[in-house]
Amino acid sequence: DAEITQSPRHKITETGRQVTLACHQTWNHNNMFWYRQDLGHGLRLIHYSYGVHDTNKGEVSDGYSVSRSNTEDLPLTLESAASSQTSVYFCASSDSGGLEAFFGQGTRLTVV
Amino acid sequence: DAKTTQPTSMDCAEGRAANLPCNHSTISGNEYVYWYRQIHSQGPQYIIHGLKNNETNEMASLIITEDRKSSTLILPHATLRDTAVYYCIVIWDYKLSFGAGTTVTVRA
Repeated sequence: DAEITQSPRHKITETGRQVTLACHQTWNHNNMFWYRQDLGHGLRLIHYSYGVHDTNKGEVSDGYSVSRSNTEDLPLTLESAASSQTSVYFCASSDSGGLEAFFGQGTRLTVV
Repeated sequence: DAKTTQPTSMDCAEGRAANLPCNHSTISGNEYVYWYRQIHSQGPQYIIHGLKNNETNEMASLIITEDRKSSTLILPHATLRDTAVYYCIVIWDYKLSFGAGTTVTVRA
């Protein structure tokens, strides 16, 4: 069955370190998204991509970057992790022909 | 994208229908109404969507008013596993924008 997977599921890192969260989908979807979820803020869009080599900033993109070198993967990089980036991160994908999005199980990141 | 308004929380008895309202008075003609839910700590899950007509699938029914300014998600026979946060989202493109949603608690 097609799926979307995130790794790692949990990570603890130190302030200032570079961290990359992986997102891999096997639906061959063109659209991929990264969200973060914090208590009191709900899910907020970080970055998104509508296809290979396409990336766009969402509402909370500062301190994050993405690259899309193939259809299946959209890794999220925190250039220099900060405590404010402690959060649960969700990746999602959707097909260009429809608006239903499929979400991964999330990555819980703690920056100490 | 149009803004939506949902009640903060609601309770429902197991086996009864749960009716979740959503207000989207500024919706545009090309915007769809989408419903997702998030069960504790999991990624959001798609439930149903519609443009103008009422829709039904194996999970729920969506009733959209004729003027499209509000809608109701109906879970016909709520179970304990339906306890979740339910999000009503109005969009025309692919970017989902989540508000606070409605926390639905199904009680035995």
